[in-house]
Parts: sequence; structure tokens; C-alpha cells
Amino acid sequence: GDSVTQMEGPVTLSEEAFLTINCTYTATGYPSLFWYVQYPGEGLQLLLKATKADDKGSNKGFEATYRKETTSFHLEKGSVQVSDSAVYFCALSEAGANNLFFGTGTRLTVIP
Amino acid sequence: KAGVTQTPRYLIKTRGQQVTLSCSPISGHRSVSWYQQTPGQGLQFLFEYFSETQRNKGNFPGRFSGRQFSNSRSEMNVSTLELGDSALYLCASSLGTNSGANVLTFGAGSRLTVL
Repeated sequence: GDSVTQMEGPVTLSEEAFLTINCTYTATGYPSLFWYVQYPGEGLQLLLKATKADDKGSNKGFEATYRKETTSFHLEKGSVQVSDSAVYFCALSEAGANNLFFGTGTRLTVIP
Repeated sequence: KAGVTQTPRYLIKTRGQQVTLSCSPISGHRSVSWYQQTPGQGLQFLFEYFSETQRNKGNFPGRFSGRQFSNSRSEMNVSTLELGDSALYLCASSLGTNSGANVLTFGAGSRLTVL
């Protein structure tokens, strides 16, 4: 079945550090891949997505590339800010479906 | 435009009771999905409704049910509450095309505590 494996947290970084959160997936077909972010006390928000192999999703300085050969969708940001502190979820959705399979989430704390 | 609205935001129930949660989707969105978020199990898909019909269902017992109204608003119900049902219940709406590439917009959630 479909599943998403995400880097365990928590992750603590200093402001302006480089961020990588690893995400790999298992899927039966050709899924779309997503990163969602959850700020304290809020619901999930879409951060970025990619719908086919080699697509790069990007938003707010975050990037992730859909790698079919390694079944990965790692999240990166070159210089994190305190305001990036949140929980990040990698997720997939199979073609022909409208439900998401989520990873366990990675809590990021950025300290000034 | 208004986002996804969930009510109530917080509620406390005792074992054996039942609870109904409500979700108003973004205007024009025809699909409403429900997810359960717990520290132990993470985010798990409950079910999806589209045009008043359940289109997809996760692996939850029959105590969890839902429905969707003609205006796309949705409710979920949990009967005979158990301690393990304590969770944040998230509702998400989308246009609902079954492409797999839909962007789901989530509400802030309803936090249920079962005592």
C-alpha cells in the first residue's frame, strides 16, 4: 500500500542555516507529492507540490524535487527564519484519488 | 474568500457519548474530507464526500460516520466514544476532481477530548 516515510524530528536550527527534511514514499501508481506545514494552533497549509517526476515545487524559499528513481521528495530551504518554526508533513495522493497519505511530520524549531 | 470553517473548535465528552463535528468548505468546493490527527498515529484519512456521496473511506470502525449536505457542508459523527478517539479532527475541502493533484485546504480543526 501507499506510505510516506519522513525524517524523524525534532530539528533545531539557527537562523539562516540550511534546512533539509527527508521524505521517501511507496506508491502503487504515479502519485502527486506534497509538503504541508502546520503552524502552532492552526490547520495544515499547502507549502508546495509536484505532480510528476522531475517536477520541482517551490514556495516561500522552500523547494522539493520529485525524484522517481529514488522515490523521494526532500524539502530544502537555503536560509531558515524563526518564522519557519512549524511542523512539516510530506504527503502523497494517488492519481484517481482525492485523499492524502501523510508522513509522521517533522517539527522544526529555528532559534535566533 | 472565507476559508474552511470547523465547529466547535474544542469539546470535551465522556466515554460512551457521541459527538457531531461540522465543517463548512470554501465556496465552490464540492469535496470535503476528514482526517484524524493524534500524536501516536499521526494524520489518518477518515472519509471523503463529494456531491453528498461518500466517495472514499479510510480504515476506521463504523462508529465514525459522516454526511454531506446539498450546500457541501459536512458533518462527521463519532458514536460510543472511546478514550482513544481523543484527537484533532481536521476537515479539508477541494474542488474534488479525482486527479490526485488536488490541493486540499484544511480548517483549523476540532479538538476532541474524551474523558
